[in-house]
Amino acid sequence: KAGVTQTPRYLIKTRGQQVTLSCSPISGHRSVSWYQQTPGQGLQFLFEYFSETQRNKGNFPGRFSGRQFSNSRSEMNVSTLELGDSALYLCASKGVSSYNSPLHFGNGTRLTVT
Amino acid sequence: AQSVTQLDSQVPVFEEAPVELRCNYSSSVSVYLFWYVQYPNQGLQLLLKYLSGSTLVKGINGFEAEFNKSQTSFHLRKPSVHISDTAEYFCAVSGRGGADGLTFGKGTHLIIQP
Repeated sequence: KAGVTQTPRYLIKTRGQQVTLSCSPISGHRSVSWYQQTPGQGLQFLFEYFSETQRNKGNFPGRFSGRQFSNSRSEMNVSTLELGDSALYLCASKGVSSYNSPLHFGNGTRLTVT
Repeated sequence: AQSVTQLDSQVPVFEEAPVELRCNYSSSVSVYLFWYVQYPNQGLQLLLKYLSGSTLVKGINGFEAEFNKSQTSFHLRKPSVHISDTAEYFCAVSGRGGADGLTFGKGTHLIIQP
């Protein structure tokens, strides 16, 4: 079974631009979550989608948004990029909707904002 | 809301020696507890999880953890480490309502010395 696939692996953007990151979950998984990882703040929860609906949301500004498609693939969008948005963005999927199910992570997209 | 404290940012250990990575959490509700490992340039991989029942949980790669409710701890242990265990280890907690996603600790870098 293929794992969680995130594209692109690396991305360099300029402050003020916007960016879209993509995540393909494990086949059959309907829940997709996004996390931001930085050296200073560690891993922080962005949001979770299940069956095309945002189920949970972390404490991030409205510049961070996401969506999920009918095939469970998910995209995350960050508008008006700031230098502080430079981070590793991790996507994770799980097979059932229960909160104790383990997350399966992709290898991440490393975003650098200059 | 929950919080996780990993007491050591870095733990150097000689190969074949035992290791303990410490994790304490705080929560006003019952929780699920997890340990994840992150190898360089990769996403996170689940090592083990505590949901309920026996407080000693065994995971992959010879790791185990013990849930101690009175001390609100979930320390990770391995009796004999290998060079390949060099990685970043994250303790995480999820409230049983699950509304806030996983809350991660800042991570512990396990350094195996030959």
